[in-house]
Amino acid sequence: SAVISQKPSRDICQRGTSLTIQCQVDSQVTMMFWYRQQPGQSLTLIATANQGSEATYESGFVIDKFPISRPNLTFSTLTVSNMSPEDSSIYLCSVEFEGYYEQYFGPGTRLTVT
Amino acid sequence: QKEVEQDPGPLSVPEGAIVSLNCTYSNSAFQYFMWYRQYSRKGPELLMYTYSSGNKEDGRFTAQVDKSSKYISLFIRDSQPSDSATYLCAMTGGNQFYFGTGTSLTVIP
Repeated sequence: SAVISQKPSRDICQRGTSLTIQCQVDSQVTMMFWYRQQPGQSLTLIATANQGSEATYESGFVIDKFPISRPNLTFSTLTVSNMSPEDSSIYLCSVEFEGYYEQYFGPGTRLTVT
Repeated sequence: QKEVEQDPGPLSVPEGAIVSLNCTYSNSAFQYFMWYRQYSRKGPELLMYTYSSGNKEDGRFTAQVDKSSKYISLFIRDSQPSDSATYLCAMTGGNQFYFGTGTSLTVIP
């Protein structure tokens, strides 16, 4: 397993601004992912954060809106850009260790856009 | 047809009851199955994972996989109020993860 932290834990932002969410893992991991979970809904994968290369985005998510960085094997950031109220959600990072298939999740960042 | 179907509940049971949570899936390529527990305002916590058909037990929790029927279950014995949470099933064939929509469980003291 892994200990995963996210910052900030929550934020209230104004429309049109951007927020960067950080994800830190206590050990080196192969795969890191970013998910969105809207109230009462399941998890939707935004992108896979690749170390040393551009993130791989899922259908409906684009780099201009959700730029991702992954400078090393223990850290990643997700930026939610030019926010609108529809971006209000919980944003979760998760990790997967090489050779295993289960994912471990961080505590989430609760974002409210007004 | 969704890849993974899960009854959203809500499910309400008295303390001490046996709880059965279920998911069905359509993709026969799925080989790895997981159950997550998510408390309100928290991230999902991995409860159990299994890579094969059959049963896997961990304390009060039993995960069951029936690949022939494309059906997985999580049983909770002697349920406690602290088990009140949303339970998500998840599965993968090695590439993308697919999650159920979650079942909300309340255990009443």
